[in-house]
Amino acid sequence: DVQLVQSGAEVKKPGESLKISCEASGYSFTEHWIGWVRQKPGKALEWMGMIYPDDSDTRYSPSLEGQVTMSADKAITTAYLQWSNLKASDTAMYFCARVIAAGGAFDVWGHGTMVTVSS
Amino acid sequence: DIQMTQSPASLSAAVGDRVNITCRASQTISSFLNWYHQKLGKAPRLLIHGASSLQSGVPLRFSGSGSGTDFTLTISSLQPEDFGTYYCQQTYTTPRTFGQGTTVDIK
Repeated sequence: DVQLVQSGAEVKKPGESLKISCEASGYSFTEHWIGWVRQKPGKALEWMGMIYPDDSDTRYSPSLEGQVTMSADKAITTAYLQWSNLKASDTAMYFCARVIAAGGAFDVWGHGTMVTVSS
Repeated sequence: DIQMTQSPASLSAAVGDRVNITCRASQTISSFLNWYHQKLGKAPRLLIHGASSLQSGVPLRFSGSGSGTDFTLTISSLQPEDFGTYYCQQTYTTPRTFGQGTTVDIK
């Protein structure tokens, strides 16, 4: 079975750093882009960007560039999303998802990681 | 960025009703349009990709149509498990923007 398993919920203070993970299994990790999607409480889905694990080619949404960093470790088939300076406005559910080769839709999703940033 | 506009924002329909949700792109996206269904607190599920291709395992009552800038998701006979929010997404170019969502509740 193709699966993406995300790390658990996090509660952080403004200014702190954080790295969340998305472990893939059941398919060739290096042959599919992995995307990240943000969903703030009660709001719509927001595309953040994506990474190609084979060479770590990365595309970011212009609205988020510089605010987050995406990375991947091929050896352990895991993608990461990290922040160096969290803000209260980063409070959201974060989903990772696999990109299908034809057309680019997200066909398999992680269960989501809830990040709460509060003083 | 390409803006994706869904209508209506919400709707109520009875079990068995035919439901249409539309999505308009701010510029042409060919057939690079996908539809997802999300239930509260859960990850979205891919329903339709490439504007009209039914994802494996998705019931045949779901269908998609359109190309260019105007697209439609149709549920031919609404079932109780179809409540939730539906999103369109363009994958023509980055950023791969989503629509604002259409919430469907069951009368």
